[in-house]
Amino acid sequence: QSALTQPASVSGSPGQSITISCTGTSSDVGSYNLVSWYQQHPGKAPKLMIYEVSKRPSGVSNRFSGSKSGNTASLTISGLQAEDEADYYCCSYAGSSTRFGGGTKLTVL
Amino acid sequence: QMQLVQSGAEVKKTGSSVKVSCKASGYTFTYRYLHWVRQAPGQALEWMGWITPFNGNTNYAQKFQDRVTITRDRSMSTAYMELSSLRSEDTAMYYCAPGGSPGTFDIWGQGTMVTVSS
Repeated sequence: QSALTQPASVSGSPGQSITISCTGTSSDVGSYNLVSWYQQHPGKAPKLMIYEVSKRPSGVSNRFSGSKSGNTASLTISGLQAEDEADYYCCSYAGSSTRFGGGTKLTVL
Repeated sequence: QMQLVQSGAEVKKTGSSVKVSCKASGYTFTYRYLHWVRQAPGQALEWMGWITPFNGNTNYAQKFQDRVTITRDRSMSTAYMELSSLRSEDTAMYYCAPGGSPGTFDIWGQGTMVTVSS
């Protein structure tokens, strides 16, 4: 039960857009539209940002969007802001289990 | 509002066991699966398993199958995660989170830090 694959780090300047990829397999990301994304600031619990591939919970900025193609899901953050600097984790249902990605550190330059 | 309150930090010896509690409020405890997720220092989130509070059914990640037990007390709206045969690699923050749709965790407990040392 391997973790989903994410880039270790991404960066962007304020106002720019960035995309974080999350690659799984046909047993998880590729089989279910049940991918979620979490934002985690240091010392804090994770916060749900996107669920079911592209849905945003109430209160989450529309600068955050999600998509999926085949075995790869993506999180896009547009109009980068300083407070977006955090770790981001993808998560996918995998039938009898749930898998998280290795995490991506977003740096806002 | 929905809230999960976990028990306090623990320091354990190698080979011992730890039991962490998670008290739910603000929603019907039996309506949602209750998951446990851990995060070692500087590492990624790792799913451990879930319990259905309604009937006590459980499902564990293969990695923890032999060492983890998740239980619940419906009358207290509280779930428990017990991890046995602790080793240093089990040093981590342990979170509980009720599941929405599969793979979705819309709220999280505050976390319980478990430190394992010899």
